[in-house]
Amino acid sequence: QITLKESGPTLVKPTQTLTLTCTVSGFSLSTTSVGVAWIRQPPGKALEWLAFILWHDDQRYNPFLRNRITITKDTSKSQVVLRMTNVDQADTGTYYCARIGGYCAGGSCYPSKAYFDRWGQGTLVTVSS
Amino acid sequence: SYEFTQSPSVSVSPGQTVSITCSGHRLGNLLVSWYQQKPGQSPVLVIYRNDERPSGIPERFSGSKSGDTAALTISGAQPMDDADYYCQTWDSTSATSPTFVFATGTRVTVL
Repeated sequence: QITLKESGPTLVKPTQTLTLTCTVSGFSLSTTSVGVAWIRQPPGKALEWLAFILWHDDQRYNPFLRNRITITKDTSKSQVVLRMTNVDQADTGTYYCARIGGYCAGGSCYPSKAYFDRWGQGTLVTVSS
Repeated sequence: SYEFTQSPSVSVSPGQTVSITCSGHRLGNLLVSWYQQKPGQSPVLVIYRNDERPSGIPERFSGSKSGDTAALTISGAQPMDDADYYCQTWDSTSATSPTFVFATGTRVTVL
């Protein structure tokens, strides 16, 4: 059974660094074509993709947040970590990690082929002093 | 940045058919996925690569695309389909800053 579970602080102060961990099971982070993404959702608003990391450590970032976020993985622990610096109230929301499916198909690998086929339960992060 | 146009809400009676659409520049050249999100829950993939349905998703969900407009159709809507629906694609129009993008979502009310 494939599961993803987010963990981290529920309350962070402005200007602090937020660190979130996604622990996965039922699949390996080193398997070809596998990736994990972070996606967030402000209260009452739409989904926003933040970053993803692939089996071979290739990372991509939302260009609007590129200078504030870092994504890494520890395959031995089955964990993907998102780090976001200098948070403010606009970063309040539910943070999801999701498995990327379909990245490789027909002999080629492109993000344009990918989709998010399994999601974690999400973790609500509030930025407030 | 890439922008979708997605109607904010739609209502449908149980058993009726409803289609929700996403429009965007060059969407005809992009692959589209659709996600269902019920209140207080995580999103669930219901359609990928325009018209593929994951295992476990009911056959009443179908996807299609015509020109630069993608559509998700629920044939014979059920009360359990009451949810927000988001379309999503990969925008590579900027070679230096490609990104996954989600639309603003459509609230489907079944009553």
